[in-house]
Amino acid sequence: EAQVTQNPRYLITVTGKKLTVTCSQNMNHEYMSWYRQDPGLGLRQIYYSMNVEVTDKGDVPEGYKVSRKEKRNFPLILESPSPNQTSLYFCASSLRASSYNEQFFGPGTRLTVL
Amino acid sequence: AQSVTQLGSHVSVSEGALVLLRCNYSSSVPPYLFWYVQYPNQGLQLLLKYTSAATLVKGINGFEAEFKKSETSFHLTKPSAHMSDAAEYFCAVIHGSGNTGKLIFGQGTTLQVKP
Repeated sequence: EAQVTQNPRYLITVTGKKLTVTCSQNMNHEYMSWYRQDPGLGLRQIYYSMNVEVTDKGDVPEGYKVSRKEKRNFPLILESPSPNQTSLYFCASSLRASSYNEQFFGPGTRLTVL
Repeated sequence: AQSVTQLGSHVSVSEGALVLLRCNYSSSVPPYLFWYVQYPNQGLQLLLKYTSAATLVKGINGFEAEFKKSETSFHLTKPSAHMSDAAEYFCAVIHGSGNTGKLIFGQGTTLQVKP
């Protein structure tokens, strides 16, 4: 089944404790990105990747890192999480970064930083 | 800069009634517009997309949307609501400049369907 998977689905952590949220897609997509969803704000892009080893900042990149060493994986890293990073995170992928291509979303990761 | 505004954070309809979710966009270039649905505890699923081929776009689950350039609108409709339509709906526009693939989302509208 074609899908985007994220792990973990739920995570409660404390301020400053490094964490990684994994994202994997099995559709051989070139383009991947991370969004965060906050009430009343919709979804905002954190980082995106056009292809392997090519990443760039989205609208809200502060406090996050990403890497794209393999085509299928695009982990989101929070080196020193803070409470304002409490949010619902979505990974998405599409064939290419084109206006035509549908973006497929993962099921989401709900992160709470205490 | 492109932006999307969804009018009404919550919409409540009775089962069988017309569903109308409003979306207005701002774009200096011809936009590509999308409607996504998010069911509880799930990711976003594409309902339909406008890519300039036709102004009336039909999507899944009986939804459709009409692109009106003069009104800069892309409202989502469904003739008869079903209980299973209760979800959050997002309108989005693709960021055209530089083709980064970034979707710019509206704030979302929660649809409640009453029996």
